[in-house]
Amino acid sequence: QQQVKQSPQSLIVQKGGISIINCAYENTAFDYFPWYQQFPGKGPALLIAIRPDVSEKKEGRFTISFNKSAKQFSLHIMDSQPGDSATYFCAAREDSSYKLIFGSGTRLLVRP
Amino acid sequence: GAGVSQSPRYKVAKRGQDVALRCDPISGHVSLFWYQQALGQGPEFLTYFQNEAQLDKSGLPSDRFFAERPEGSVSTLKIQRTQQEDSAVYLCASSLRRQFNQPQHFGDGTRLSIL
Repeated sequence: QQQVKQSPQSLIVQKGGISIINCAYENTAFDYFPWYQQFPGKGPALLIAIRPDVSEKKEGRFTISFNKSAKQFSLHIMDSQPGDSATYFCAAREDSSYKLIFGSGTRLLVRP
Repeated sequence: GAGVSQSPRYKVAKRGQDVALRCDPISGHVSLFWYQQALGQGPEFLTYFQNEAQLDKSGLPSDRFFAERPEGSVSTLKIQRTQQEDSAVYLCASSLRRQFNQPQHFGDGTRLSIL
């Protein structure tokens, strides 16, 4: 059973556009929600993370929006650039747990 | 080193052979994790070490999988009698402290192909 559902599977955006990736979860014990960026042949790199006590967190062009009641969170990439082309994973972790539960990933292509 | 280092980067083995994958975490990092990433999927947790103690091995798919970290730094993931379904990228991650809220830093993985 997939604990973190991610959509879309793939996304094509024009340079300068906004990329939006969504994730949903059921486990209310999750209390930490990171986003990872992965380039081909590389390991996932932490991009930005949020906890349920805030509804939005922004770092540069990257913003996480969090809706606790809907159990959904999303990543927005503003002014998307070709260098942002990568696979993005949302993840979640329970309180008092070490293991990250990952979504299935979104392959983003930003066209010049 | 500056980041988590894994070796080899690529490993090809015949079905039934044993393999050993190495992880050098970031110096001083207490916590170490192994994940398995199938093609086109997100990483899946395998096991967790705090220093030399293996505190969670709930994600290991079978008793053919074994991990160790005898001196609390370098870790080895061993797979015995490999099967085709073991083909995946094996990722190692480390974090500085033992607290739950520490970010995990990933290596670039070992791509294992079982023929």
